[in-house]
Amino acid sequence: AQKITQTQPGMFVQEKEAVTLDCTYDTSDQSYGLFWYKQPSSGEMIFLIYQGSYDEQNATEGRYSLNFQKARKSANLVISASQLGDSAMYFCAMSPSGSARQLTFGSGTQLTVLP
Amino acid sequence: DAGVTQSPTHLIKTRGQQVTLRCSPKSGHDTVSWYQQALGQGPQFIFQYYEEEERQRGNFPDRFSGHQFPNYSSELNVNALLLGDSALYLCASSLGGPSSYNEQFFGPGTRLTVL
Repeated sequence: AQKITQTQPGMFVQEKEAVTLDCTYDTSDQSYGLFWYKQPSSGEMIFLIYQGSYDEQNATEGRYSLNFQKARKSANLVISASQLGDSAMYFCAMSPSGSARQLTFGSGTQLTVLP
Repeated sequence: DAGVTQSPTHLIKTRGQQVTLRCSPKSGHDTVSWYQQALGQGPQFIFQYYEEEERQRGNFPDRFSGHQFPNYSSELNVNALLLGDSALYLCASSLGGPSSYNEQFFGPGTRLTVL
């Protein structure tokens, strides 16, 4: 069984500053994928970034980067130069073998960007 | 290019009733997954349909059933509704079935309230 833990129910960050959202995971699979999604108040889950368990380099997508520490089983999301539009719920998720199989989500972190 | 669409947007039912939720996948996608997101929690995987068959199922009772049509659209049916079924139901589409590594795109969800 896979488990995702997000220990920060809420986070605040000043506009234009960087913020790190924490995510730890537990799995017995050797191959897996880690995802981050953003969920605005409208409800739609927006894909942000993906990291495969065998990827040696940390994934980056624009202002988003994933700090992957396999030995510590952590996959933290770093958002650089925060914008007001980044205010939303953020979910960490994982799937077996990184495929389009069932995603297991954490409980989420509510990020608020302050002007 | 139309994204994932879901209908209805909101729905109110009473305990014991039955409900059908609908999902049209993103253009070109052939795989549909359904998730239940209770208030304040992360989404939980219900099941996934590919080639008109249920391919994977999460830990949900048989009251939850589904169907996929030849045009790849899908329905989620819930019988004998309970108060605990109140949630946001998210549909996600992808290409290539459960073994593919393609990204899942989510729809805006259907908010179900059971009174």
